[in-house]
Amino acid sequence: TQLLEQSPQFLSIQEGENLTVYCNSSSVFSSLQWYRQEPGEGPVLLVTVVTGGEVKKLKRLTFQFGDARKDSSLHITAAQTGDTGLYLCADSYGQNFVFGPGTRLSVLP
Amino acid sequence: GAVVSQHPSWVICKSGTSVKIECRSLDFQATTMFWYRQFPKQSLMLMATSNEGSKATYEQGVEKDKFLINHASLTLSTLTVTSAHPEDSSFYICSASRDPDSPLHFGNGTRLTVT
Repeated sequence: TQLLEQSPQFLSIQEGENLTVYCNSSSVFSSLQWYRQEPGEGPVLLVTVVTGGEVKKLKRLTFQFGDARKDSSLHITAAQTGDTGLYLCADSYGQNFVFGPGTRLSVLP
Repeated sequence: GAVVSQHPSWVICKSGTSVKIECRSLDFQATTMFWYRQFPKQSLMLMATSNEGSKATYEQGVEKDKFLINHASLTLSTLTVTSAHPEDSSFYICSASRDPDSPLHFGNGTRLTVT
């Protein structure tokens, strides 16, 4: 059974700071997704990465996928209060998904 | 705009009653939908896979007689929590995709509180 770990579990930073959160898998990812979930809402897909070593940028967010396809990082530059939420990584194979426990980010004004 | 709609957004019910939650795919047909449960400050846990026209597939530890799933059409799946108890209070989320190669879209969740 695949296990996903995310770190840190909680992160509280000031607006304008940079941060990185991590996702590690006990086995090779089939297809890694990062989601952000705001309180009281469903997760929203941020990015999908498939190729080892891949780097994707989404405005202030940079996603890196490890060469071995077992780990990933999400870096946020100049965090804003709107970045507050639960960041989830997930692996998908077909329509089956496994979610990590998430990193809860709070960006303070 | 939202492509997967969940209703209701929140519901409060008394212990022992049943509650039905609807999940609709708005602009595509979904032969498969997924139901998740999320407890406070925790991640999503897959409860069951809803298959149109056939029985749902439940994850280990999820009582199929308590969490009834009906996927009667290609755009609608329902989750009924029967004889709800306070420990069933949680955030229930559904998801669906157009096909296995398309991104998964999530509903906005239903907050269930059982008193």
